[in-house]
Amino acid sequence: GENVEQHPSTLSVQEGDSAVIKCTYSDSASNYFPWYKQELGKGPQLIIDIRSNVGEKKDQRIAVTLNKTAKHFSLHITETQPEDSAVYFCAALHSGGGADGLTFGKGTHLIIQP
Amino acid sequence: NAGVTQTPKFQVLKTGQSMTLQCAQDMNHEYMSWYRQDPGMGLRLIHYSVGAGITDQGEVPNGYNVSRSTTEDFPLRLLSAAPSQTSVYFCASSYSKLSSVFQETQYFGPGTRLLVL
Repeated sequence: GENVEQHPSTLSVQEGDSAVIKCTYSDSASNYFPWYKQELGKGPQLIIDIRSNVGEKKDQRIAVTLNKTAKHFSLHITETQPEDSAVYFCAALHSGGGADGLTFGKGTHLIIQP
Repeated sequence: NAGVTQTPKFQVLKTGQSMTLQCAQDMNHEYMSWYRQDPGMGLRLIHYSVGAGITDQGEVPNGYNVSRSTTEDFPLRLLSAAPSQTSVYFCASSYSKLSSVFQETQYFGPGTRLLVL
């Protein structure tokens, strides 16, 4: 099955600086890579996603890059703000053999220092 | 739209007891799924459904049963609770199955926190 590794587990940055979270995946057949933000006591919320036919995608201060050859993808947050503090999860979709579900990384606790 | 709703928010069970975690969505989504979230483990897929009457196993299905009699509801059943099932459970839904090229945002519910003593 798919295996997703996420680093770092904790990331502390100064407000206004950029934050980068990296994930690697094992199944070369995976073709959909979403990123979720989870605030304390709430369910995960999709913030951006990318499909394997695209190398980069941006949405305002958030961007995701995908390197299919190396099997890794990254989340980039620029001009960080206090409300960006949360736990971020990457995931990869495995849909082979009739299965259809996401495999998640273990999460990154992003702390924005004022 | 209420989105994805889950009940109860919190539950305490004794080992061996049974219970059903409820999940409902009012967005006419075909795809629904259940995940459990444990500290340091991320979210792990338990079961999923690509439409009414169709369910399949995810990564950690043992000890859990599901059924999908309607598009709106996707209950998760614990037949004999064990301490290892202490976790936070999330239900999620999306318009179509995740591998579809028309796949849209997957929405998560607020979660059910379960403690098995």
